[in-house]
Amino acid sequence: DAKTTQPPSMDCAEGRAANLPCNHSTISGNEYVYWYRQIHSQGPQYIIHGLKNNETNEMASLIITEDRKSSTLILPHATLRDTAVYYCIVRVAIIQGAQKLVFGQGTRLTINP
Amino acid sequence: EAQVTQNPRYLITVTGKKLTVTCSQNMNHEYMSWYRQDPGLGLRQIYYSMNVEVTDKGDVPEGYKVSRKEKRNFPLILESPSPNQTSLYFCASRQTGFHEQYFGPGTRLTVT
Repeated sequence: DAKTTQPPSMDCAEGRAANLPCNHSTISGNEYVYWYRQIHSQGPQYIIHGLKNNETNEMASLIITEDRKSSTLILPHATLRDTAVYYCIVRVAIIQGAQKLVFGQGTRLTINP
Repeated sequence: EAQVTQNPRYLITVTGKKLTVTCSQNMNHEYMSWYRQDPGLGLRQIYYSMNVEVTDKGDVPEGYKVSRKEKRNFPLILESPSPNQTSLYFCASRQTGFHEQYFGPGTRLTVT
């Protein structure tokens, strides 16, 4: 699985868009980008995933650069409840085999009032 | 509500006293797995199961057992717990063909 690099921490004002970057310069053509978050020792929560195209769901948007070497998770209108550790995971499609998720250190996002 | 449940949520026990942490999902998922989370080490997979009666070791299986007799349940068994198994444990499940994994709320285990 490709290695990812995320800033250890970020701050964002409530109501503003939170943009969380992730570098994955060694990503392979068949590897997906997954984002999960963990709110204060709760179970990790799936946010979004993508392969090549930008993706959007009810929680967030995922922007993947054309060369796929980096991506950005966007929370469009951050709330205090979005304060969490956000994990960017790059690996082949998690639909076969051991399907384990390898969580790195992630980015600790703090939403300020 | 679709969910993964774990019990107990908190447990303090002594070395050597057998315990079971239950995990149940109500989404009819084939795949289930157990992780442990420790400071500085992230989440590490203990065991996983592709379906009923099919289980396999993850990265850190020593000291743990699992069983998958029913699709919805995947208990984690510690036959003789030791202090190095003090950790936060998560159960997860996923539907075949889908990317999203659902995690339980976690079980905080302390072995003294």
